[in-house]
Amino acid sequence: DSGVTQTPKHLITATGQRVTLRCSPRSGDLSVYWYQQSLDQGLQFLIQYYNGEERAKGNILERFSAQQFPDLHSELNLSSLELGDSALYFCASSVEGLPITDTQYFGPGTRLTVL
Amino acid sequence: EDQVTQSPEALRLQEGESSSLNCSYTVSGLRGLFWYRQDPGKGPEFLFTLYSAGEEKEKERLKATLTKKESFLHITAPKPEDSATYLCAVVSPGAQKLVFGQGTRLTINP
Repeated sequence: DSGVTQTPKHLITATGQRVTLRCSPRSGDLSVYWYQQSLDQGLQFLIQYYNGEERAKGNILERFSAQQFPDLHSELNLSSLELGDSALYFCASSVEGLPITDTQYFGPGTRLTVL
Repeated sequence: EDQVTQSPEALRLQEGESSSLNCSYTVSGLRGLFWYRQDPGKGPEFLFTLYSAGEEKEKERLKATLTKKESFLHITAPKPEDSATYLCAVVSPGAQKLVFGQGTRLTINP
């Protein structure tokens, strides 16, 4: 158990809908990262927050957005969902938010299925 | 663009049969290389970080090594519980992100 929690574990929804995924980092970690993992794309970095501020952006679609709240939990919002958005979504956390030196600890993931 | 290539894609071994997984990278000025283990449907689990060529790290039956162009994950006398996908990721100075390889799916038969 990494100490990172994610809810829900599974989410099934329809095309065009909007969903929110939630992540709580490990105690003491200030940075949260979001990743998408699909069979053909592998593990892709989406976005990083550090202490409430956006720090780095990856291949995140405009239909997706995220935020980190004062209590350091984070939410990833996915809207206008398409079939191709079906994937595992992981949250990771680290102490300082510096990928070069920090170890990122991953949560158990949310499996999103868009029908 | 930073790239990470892992080989083989899949590897099937008998229990006790040692082998190595490869991670080759094209990064201008590698600052760190990470190995993770991932079980099906679970989040990646951190194994090792390597920072400079020549560095080695060990954990139980696993040993990770790093050269200027690639990293190897050696597995000695593996057991069925070592079956998993092993992921390699790199960080370069300019990029504030981990770039992951596609992984090697390792199966250890009893």
